[in-house]
Amino acid sequence: KAGVTQTPRYLIKTRGQQVTLSCSPISGHRSVSWYQQTPGQGLQFLFEYFSETQRNKGNFPGRFSGRQFSNSRSEMNVSTLELGDSALYLCASSLGAIGYSNQPQHFGDGTRLSIL
Amino acid sequence: DQQVKQNSPSLSVQEGRISILNCDYTNSMFDYFLWYKKYPAEGPTFLISISSIKDKNEDGRFTVFLNKSAKHLSLHIVPSQPGDSAVYFCAGLEKSRGSQGNLIFGKGTKLSVKP
Repeated sequence: KAGVTQTPRYLIKTRGQQVTLSCSPISGHRSVSWYQQTPGQGLQFLFEYFSETQRNKGNFPGRFSGRQFSNSRSEMNVSTLELGDSALYLCASSLGAIGYSNQPQHFGDGTRLSIL
Repeated sequence: DQQVKQNSPSLSVQEGRISILNCDYTNSMFDYFLWYKKYPAEGPTFLISISSIKDKNEDGRFTVFLNKSAKHLSLHIVPSQPGDSAVYFCAGLEKSRGSQGNLIFGKGTKLSVKP
C-alpha cells in the first residue's frame, strides 16, 4: 500500500514569490493535515481538511492556504514568501478526522522549502 | 505563550524499565490529546491518542494517562526498548472550536533507551 506522497521534495524560492505544495494521501484516507517544522518553533499545525472541508486551523497568517480535492489529494499554497517560511512542510493523512477517530495519522517525508 | 509544555528536554532509561514522558497544558479548550514519535531525519509517527472524557488509553506497550484537573498527561512505555529512542511530542486539540480548532504541539522530549 503506497504511503503519503509529498511533492516536490525540495524547493527553492525567493522572497515575494508564491509556492504550491502537493500531498497525495494513502488511498481511502479522507483527512489530510499540514504541518510546518522548523528548528526554532518545532512542529506547528497549519490546517486539516476532511472531505474537502477545512476542519481545523492553526495560527498562521492568511498567506497560508490549502484545499482538498474530491480524490482527497490536497495542496497547500503560500503566497508572498518570507525568509521565515523556510521550513520542512509535512502532511499527514488518516481515515478519520483528527480527534474524531482513533485512526492513526500517517506522515509523508515532507517538502523542504528554502527561501532566499 | 506555550500552551503545551514538555518540561524535560531529555530522558534516559535502561532497557526493560518504564519510560514516563510528561506533558502539561494550560489551554482548557483542549479536549483531545495525541502523542507522536520522531526519529532523526524522518517525519513524525502517530503513537496514541486520548479523548478528554477518558483518563487512560492503552495500546500495547504504550499507555497515556490524562489528569484533567492537573492539566497533565503522561505517556508510559513498558518495557522500554532501544528502538524507542526518539523524540516524543505531545499535542492538544481544541475540538470544540470546530473548524477553528488548533492542534498545538509541545517542544518534545528526547528519549534514550540504553541497552
